Amino acid sequence: DAGVTQSPTHLIKTRGQQVTLRCSPKSGHDTVSWYQQALGQGPQFIFQYYEEEERQRGNFPDRFSGHQFPNYSSELNVNALLLGDSALYLCASSWRQGSYEQYFGPGTRLTVT
Amino acid sequence: QKEVEQDPGPLSVPEGAIVSLNCTYSNSAFQYFMWYRQYSRKGPELLMYTYSSGNKEDGRFTAQVDKSSKYISLFIRDSQPSDSATYLCAMRNAGGTSYGKLTFGQGTILTVHP
Repeated sequence: DAGVTQSPTHLIKTRGQQVTLRCSPKSGHDTVSWYQQALGQGPQFIFQYYEEEERQRGNFPDRFSGHQFPNYSSELNVNALLLGDSALYLCASSWRQGSYEQYFGPGTRLTVT
Repeated sequence: QKEVEQDPGPLSVPEGAIVSLNCTYSNSAFQYFMWYRQYSRKGPELLMYTYSSGNKEDGRFTAQVDKSSKYISLFIRDSQPSDSATYLCAMRNAGGTSYGKLTFGQGTILTVHP
């Protein structure tokens, strides 16, 4: 049983560019959450998708947007990249919105130069 | 002030020691309390969860929650070098508009040396 998978593993972008990160949830899970983890910090909640809609959002600007597909996979898009967007982006999946059990993927390391 | 405070350490202990990791929080709405372990270059892995106050034991790990003090702990007995990782506490509401969101502490870096 494959766990949560994310692609790409690493990404280097230039300030001002746009990036798309992808996530496939664990088999049987229908909810995807995205987190940003800066170096030396805990993950910070970006948003959560359930039934192809954004259900909850953390304190992140509109430059951060997402999408969930009918097969429950998800994308995170970041526009107008800033140096401060450099971080590990983690995807977590769960069964239903309210499950405390969120399973994390290995993350995508984004470097903005 | 952050909603969840966690001493970042780093914490270095000899093999076999008892390790105590702690978090404090300010949001009274938190009802679920989790501990995650994160190895270098990996995603967090759920170790234990507790609902509301009380203790929970799983093998060498014990989680404690004291809601009156807004304080949670994770104890690791007979620590092993393989326990070396970053330990993250996480919390969430039981309901309401943000109940799917996990709020994490900063993480404590633990090294267990042989």
